[in-house]
Amino acid sequence: GENVEQHPSTLSVQEGDSAVIKCTYSDSASNYFPWYKQELGKRPQLIIDIRSNVGEKKDQRIAVTLNKTAKHFSLHITETQPEDSAVYFCAASKNDYKLSFGAGTTVTVRA
Amino acid sequence: NAGVTQTPKFQVLKTGQSMTLQCAQDMNHNSMYWYRQDPGMGLRLIYYSASEGTTDKGEVPNGYNVSRLNKREFSLRLESAAPSQTSVYFCASRDPGQGFEPQHFGDGTRLSIL
Repeated sequence: GENVEQHPSTLSVQEGDSAVIKCTYSDSASNYFPWYKQELGKRPQLIIDIRSNVGEKKDQRIAVTLNKTAKHFSLHITETQPEDSAVYFCAASKNDYKLSFGAGTTVTVRA
Repeated sequence: NAGVTQTPKFQVLKTGQSMTLQCAQDMNHNSMYWYRQDPGMGLRLIYYSASEGTTDKGEVPNGYNVSRLNKREFSLRLESAAPSQTSVYFCASRDPGQGFEPQHFGDGTRLSIL
């Protein structure tokens, strides 16, 4: 099955700086890559997703890039704010019903 | 719309006890999922139901059973709880008929097995 690796496991950034989280996947047939944000004690919530026919997607301060050849995708958060502190999960799917998740990155934004 | 509703929110069991976690969605989604979340391991799929009347094993099905009661409801049963099943359990749903639609999660059930 699909194997998704996520790095780093923890990330501490100064408020206003950028944060980058990277994920690699093993199945070249994967074609859908969502990112979820999970605040402490809350449910995971989708923040952005990308399909394999697109190389980059932006939504305000959040962007995701995809390199199909290298089988990796990244989440970029610019101008970080305290409310960006959370655990972020990447995931991959190959157009079936299942998502394979990375282990998560705990992001802490220092004021 | 409530989205995905899970009950109970918290539960403490003794080893060997049985328990059913309930999940219901009001978004008319065809697919439903059960995950467990453990520290440092992300979300791992236990079972899923692609559509009403079907269920399939995920990554970590041992020790669990599921029932897709109808289109709205998907329950997870622990027949004989073990301490290794202490975890946070999330239910999710999705409408695959809409293409690349994301999964929507419930608030989770925090389960402790003593």
